[in-house]
Amino acid sequence: KAGVTQTPRYLIKTRGQQVTLSCSPISGHRSVSWYQQTPGQGLQFLFEYFSETQRNKGNFPGRFSGRQFSNSRSEMNVSTLELGDSALYLCASSWQGDTGELFFGEGSRLTVL
Amino acid sequence: GENVEQHPSTLSVQEGDSAVIKCTYSDSASNYFPWYKQELGKRPQLIIDIRSNVGEKKDQRIAVTLNKTAKHFSLHITETQPEDSAVYFCAATPDFDSNYQLIWGAGTKLIIKP
Repeated sequence: KAGVTQTPRYLIKTRGQQVTLSCSPISGHRSVSWYQQTPGQGLQFLFEYFSETQRNKGNFPGRFSGRQFSNSRSEMNVSTLELGDSALYLCASSWQGDTGELFFGEGSRLTVL
Repeated sequence: GENVEQHPSTLSVQEGDSAVIKCTYSDSASNYFPWYKQELGKRPQLIIDIRSNVGEKKDQRIAVTLNKTAKHFSLHITETQPEDSAVYFCAATPDFDSNYQLIWGAGTKLIIKP
């Protein structure tokens, strides 16, 4: 079956702009979570959606937001981009979001100039 | 809330030797502990997990042990090979409820020296 698909894979933005990243989970998976990963850093949790509802949110400013659609596809948005937002953004899907395997996408690499 | 500490941050071992990565957690209610491997430039992938009703789990050259009393769990890799070079992340989560969230360790970079 198809894996988790993230688009775009690479993008370059300038400070002050906004960006929207998309994540299509594995068919049947209802939970989608988002992570930020910077060089040498771990997986910083952004938020998790389950059946269109945000269930958890990490410690990121309000410039980071997300949503999930009825088909479980999810988007995350970052407004007023800062240089420090340059990172690899990973999404992961799972069957129910409970204790079970997370399937990660390949990520969207954002560079802010 | 839950907090997970992972050590060491970098581990260098000779090919063929064993490697051990340890994580400690704070929430005694945590009952699920996965380990993910992320090779350079690739996505994280689950390699093994353990639940609190089990003390040890093995899968070929990798094993995970759990000490609920001391609140720590460890990843053991035996007979290390070059393809084991990667960053390894541990995580923990309490009983699933509407506020499910995995809490992640900071990662361990494992280097296998030829």
